[in-house]
Amino acid sequence: AQKITQTQPGMFVQEKEAVTLDCTYDTSDPSYGLFWYKQPSSGEMIFLIYQGSYDQQNATEGRYSLNFQKARKSANLVISASQLGDSAMYFCAMRVGQIQGAQKLVFGQGTRLTINP
Amino acid sequence: SAVISQKPSRDICQRGTSLTIQCQVDSQVTMMFWYRQQPGQSLTLIATANQGSEATYESGFVIDKFPISRPNLTFSTLTVSNMSPEDSSIYLCSTLQGGVYGYTFGSGTRLTVV
Repeated sequence: AQKITQTQPGMFVQEKEAVTLDCTYDTSDPSYGLFWYKQPSSGEMIFLIYQGSYDQQNATEGRYSLNFQKARKSANLVISASQLGDSAMYFCAMRVGQIQGAQKLVFGQGTRLTINP
Repeated sequence: SAVISQKPSRDICQRGTSLTIQCQVDSQVTMMFWYRQQPGQSLTLIATANQGSEATYESGFVIDKFPISRPNLTFSTLTVSNMSPEDSSIYLCSTLQGGVYGYTFGSGTRLTVV
């Protein structure tokens, strides 16, 4: 069965520091995709970054980068120069299945990130 | 990517009643997903809805409790039936469009059952 594990229930970071949110995954499917979403207190899900299982390079999107270590089955999110607005819940998720199939997302438990001024 | 309008954004309902949540997408999409997020928890997939076919429910979720409608490629509804306080959650719809990572989420429905 596919599973996503986030072992950090909460993280507290000083503003402008970099922060790494951990995510490990488990799947036997060779084709998968890994996502990070941000969920503010309003409840919406904001897409941050995506890494495909066959991608050779780590994904980057502005201040977000994904440290993809395939052999270790980890996909950690790195936020550089954190800002107060980064305070939110962060979810790691995995898509499993081929394009023609039902590609549902499986979510981790989430990490609540708090940025202190 | 698609834009989803989800209604209502929040509601407070009496136990034993039902609430229907609507999601309207600004373009045609094949699959729509419905998630539940209980307080302080992660998102759990309730069901996958394809147009013109019965929704596929995940383990622990049944059609009698969470009937889903998918009348066309731009619209879907989820009904939470015979509600109890344990149904108090955020419910989110989602679609997949435009490639393997084109997931879009509605803004969520925050449901409180009293």
